This record gives sequence, C-alpha cells and structure tokens, in this order.
Amino acid sequence: KAGVTQTPRYLIKTRGQQVTLSCSPISGHRSVSWYQQTPGQGLQFLFEYFSETQRNKGNFPGRFSGRQFSNSRSEMNVSTLELGDSALYLCASSYLDTLRGGSPLHFGNGTRLTVT
Amino acid sequence: EDQVTQSPEALRLQEGESSSLNCSYTVSGLRGLFWYRQDPGKGPEFLFTLYSAGEEKEKERLKATLTKKESFLHITAPKPEDSATYLCAVQDGQNFVFGPGTRLSVLP
Repeated sequence: KAGVTQTPRYLIKTRGQQVTLSCSPISGHRSVSWYQQTPGQGLQFLFEYFSETQRNKGNFPGRFSGRQFSNSRSEMNVSTLELGDSALYLCASSYLDTLRGGSPLHFGNGTRLTVT
Repeated sequence: EDQVTQSPEALRLQEGESSSLNCSYTVSGLRGLFWYRQDPGKGPEFLFTLYSAGEEKEKERLKATLTKKESFLHITAPKPEDSATYLCAVQDGQNFVFGPGTRLSVLP
C-alpha cells in the first residue's frame, strides 16, 4: 500500500512570495492534517480536512490556508511568505477523522520550505 | 492546557544496552497515545497506539507501556539502526499534541 506522498520535497522561495504544497493521502484515508515542524517549536498543527471540509484549525495566521479535493488529495497554501515560515511541512492522513478519535496519523516525508 | 513532555532530551547507548524513554502527559480526556520514530529528513513513522492504562504493545526490540500519566518506550538490546528521534503524541478530543522528542543514538 502506498504511503502519504508530498510534493515537492524541497522548495526555496523569496520573502513575500506565495507557495502551494501538495499531499496525496493513503488510499482509503479521508482525513488529511497538516503540521509545521521546526527545531524550536516541534510539530505544530495547522489544520485538518475531512471529506473536503475543514474540521479543525490550529493557531496560525490567515496566510496559511488549505483545501481538500473530492479524491481526498489536499493542498496547503502560504501567502506573503516570511523568513519564519521556513520549516518542514508535514501532511498526515488517517482512516478516521479526529472527531471519532483513536486513529493514528500516518505522515509523509514532508516538504522542506526555505524562505530567503 | 494539554501538555506532553519527553525525557531525556537525548540519549546515547552502546549497542545492546537496554533503556527506556519517557513520555509524560497532561490531558483532560485521553483518546489515544501514539509513538513515532523520525529519521533525519523524513516524516514521523507510526509505531504504536495505546488507549488505556495498563496496555502494552511490542514490536521487535521496542515495547510501549501506558499508565494514567505517562508512557514508556522500552528498547531492548538496541542496534545502531534504532538511532532516531522518538516522538510521542496524545490525542485529546480532536487535537493531537506532540512532545519534543527524544534523540536516540546507538553506538556500535
């Protein structure tokens, strides 16, 4: 069974630009969550989508947005990039949505975003 | 507020030297505790889910246990390929809260 696939693996952008990251979940998984990982803050939750609806949102500014398509694939967008947005962005899928609980998250290998 | 701490921050072991990693948590309603392994440049790899105090799960050289306030990841006779950062996470309601991780190095 194929795992979670994230593209691209690496991105270098300039401050002020915008970026779109893509995630394909494990087949049959309808919940997709996005996390930001930095050395100082660890894993921080961005948002979760289930059946094309945003179910939960973390404490990030409105520059961070996402969406989910009918095939469960998801994208996240960051507009007006800042230097502090440099991080590893991880996508995770799970079989059940988090409202029902108890189902582990399965992560992709992430997109490494560097903002210069 | 939900909180997850892990200790030690880093651990160096000789090959074959068994040890335990600790994950302490404070949540109002635990729906699951999860252990992950993360290698440099990769995403976390799921290892175990524990749901209730007293539960244990085992996989090769790893054994995870759960009490009402903490979880332990026991590593028996580790090998160099067990070197990685080990993360624990708790689910409280809809939210997953991750600990900062323990960086394990196993020397040959």
